[in-house]
Amino acid sequence: QLRLQESGPGLVKPSGTLSLTCTVSGASISSSYYYWGWIRQPPGKRLEWIGNIFFSGHTYYNPSLQSRVTISIDTSKNQFSLTLTSVTAADTALYFCARDGYSNLGYFDFWGPGAQVIVSS
Amino acid sequence: EIVLTQSPGTLSSSPGERVVLSCRANESVPANFLAWYQQTPGQAPRLLIYEASSRATGVPARFSGSGSGTDFTLTISRLEPEDFAVFYCQHYGGSPITFGQGTRLDIK
Repeated sequence: QLRLQESGPGLVKPSGTLSLTCTVSGASISSSYYYWGWIRQPPGKRLEWIGNIFFSGHTYYNPSLQSRVTISIDTSKNQFSLTLTSVTAADTALYFCARDGYSNLGYFDFWGPGAQVIVSS
Repeated sequence: EIVLTQSPGTLSSSPGERVVLSCRANESVPANFLAWYQQTPGQAPRLLIYEASSRATGVPARFSGSGSGTDFTLTISRLEPEDFAVFYCQHYGGSPITFGQGTRLDIK
């Protein structure tokens, strides 16, 4: 059974950098043809897609976040990671990693439980 | 970008009843690339429907999706107690992927 698990600091200072890692188990990131994505949900707001990555390292980002986002992948650890720079309180959210079940820019069929990140001094 | 508007914002219903949730796009959704998710408090979203009307693996038959172009619906034929949650629609197939603001389904 495919499982995803987010990990990383739950508190980040304003103007700092948010870093999260998603560990995938039950399948190899590099042996499938799926993209892997990050989605976030600010308190009381709608879900927001952040970006996707393929095992080759090919990425797609939401244009609204593109200048601050980097998604990377480590196939040896079966992990992919999110980095978001220059954070503000608006980046406070529940961050999910997920598998793109369509192949890319698609729907998400497996999700991690989410990681709460608060931006505060 | 495709903007999705869901209605109603909140819906109160009882177990056994049939409900219909709406998702409207500001422009036509290509190839009916529209998905629906269910989210309970503190949990990740669960994929219910993709390509407007295809049920995801393991989703009960009481959930059905329909629609095309700019208007889509999710129907739950007979509500079970575990169905009360927030439901989101999502457009995919192009960047950026976008989500609706959600419909909260409460027990009456």
